[in-house]
Amino acid sequence: DTGVSQDPRHKITKRGQNVTFRCDPISEHNRLYWYRQTLGQGPEFLTYFQNEAQLEKSRLLSDRFSAERPKGSFSTLEIQRTEQGDSAMYLCATGTANYEQYFGPGTRLTVT
Amino acid sequence: GENVEQHPSTLSVQEGDSAVIKCTYSDSASNYFPWYKQELGKGPQLIIDIRSNVGEKKDQRIAVTLNKTAKHFSLHITETQPEDSAVYFCAARGNQFYFGTGTSLTVIP
Repeated sequence: DTGVSQDPRHKITKRGQNVTFRCDPISEHNRLYWYRQTLGQGPEFLTYFQNEAQLEKSRLLSDRFSAERPKGSFSTLEIQRTEQGDSAMYLCATGTANYEQYFGPGTRLTVT
Repeated sequence: GENVEQHPSTLSVQEGDSAVIKCTYSDSASNYFPWYKQELGKGPQLIIDIRSNVGEKKDQRIAVTLNKTAKHFSLHITETQPEDSAVYFCAARGNQFYFGTGTSLTVIP
């Protein structure tokens, strides 16, 4: 257990519905990352926060995806109008300025 | 952007033997190279990392080497144990983190 928690662990939704995932970081970590991982692949970068500021966002990230980190603590990732291609494991990682990242257990999303 | 390639995709070794996983990267500006172990149903776990100003780093049975000129880095696990069985990912940090496609390691008792 790295100390990073994610909720929910599993989410099944119907195509077209909106979903929101939450990540609670290790308290002293000011950097927070979201990744997407599909079966047999490595994590794919989605977005990155330093404190409450969203500093980077993947060019591959659809406009249906949005992330927030109010007050620089927990973060949420929302997917609007879900599609079957959004089915994946969504991973949150937190870290400090030394680049080390500690991953949470992930949220597995299934879009039916 | 960065491109990280990882080989082999699967690796089987006998318990007690060594395992080596290799990665190459394309962006010479990348300066941090972590390795992660991922077990089924869990998030990746950082096991060792190396920075661009270091050529080798060791932590008990695990070591990582970095060749900046050739743009490749490797993970070495000695005296493998069944609990080392997992998927291992390399990554490189340029402007963001880029991950390899993973190596499924099986240690046969």
